[in-house]
Amino acid sequence: AQKVTQAQTEISVVEKEDVTLDCVYETRDTTYYLFWYKQPPSGELVFLIRRNSFDEQNEISGRYSWNFQKSTSSFNFTITASQVVDSAVYFCALSEVVTSYDKVIFGPGTSLSVIP
Amino acid sequence: SAVISQKPSRDICQRGTSLTIQCQVDSQVTMMFWYRQQPGQSLTLIATANQGSEATYESGFVIDKFPISRPNLTFSTLTVSNMSPEDSSIYLCSARDSPGELFFGEGSRLTVL
Repeated sequence: AQKVTQAQTEISVVEKEDVTLDCVYETRDTTYYLFWYKQPPSGELVFLIRRNSFDEQNEISGRYSWNFQKSTSSFNFTITASQVVDSAVYFCALSEVVTSYDKVIFGPGTSLSVIP
Repeated sequence: SAVISQKPSRDICQRGTSLTIQCQVDSQVTMMFWYRQQPGQSLTLIATANQGSEATYESGFVIDKFPISRPNLTFSTLTVSNMSPEDSSIYLCSARDSPGELFFGEGSRLTVL
């Protein structure tokens, strides 16, 4: 069955520090998608990225970058030069296209606090 | 990107009553889902809302407690039946079209007294 693990429950960093949020997943499918979502204190879910299992290229978007490694079943998220506005809960998620009919399952989340 | 509207956005209900949450998508989508987010927790999938047929429920969720309708490709409802304080959560409607981004509504925050 599909599973997402985010071992870091809470992280605190000082503003301008870099921080990496870990995500490890389990799946039997060869075709799957990985996601990251941000949930700020206001509560809405903000989509950050989607990556399919055939694309292992790392991605950078401004201060955000993602490292996808199939060999270790990991999809880690790094925020460079963190800002107070980055304080939120971050969820990693997985969907198996075949086995689970494309349902998206979320990890437990990592709560990030950026201290000014 | 799809825009999802949910109502009510929040409600306070009495134990033993039922509440129906409506979800409207601004475009036709293949798949719609309902999630629950209990306080301080992650999102848990309740069910996949299937257009024109019975919803597909995840383990731990049953139709009698969470009846779901999806009469067309843009609309779905979730009813929380015979509510108890343990049902106090945020209920989120989501939608996607093909294996792509999963869009979310703003959620319905339910408090059961």
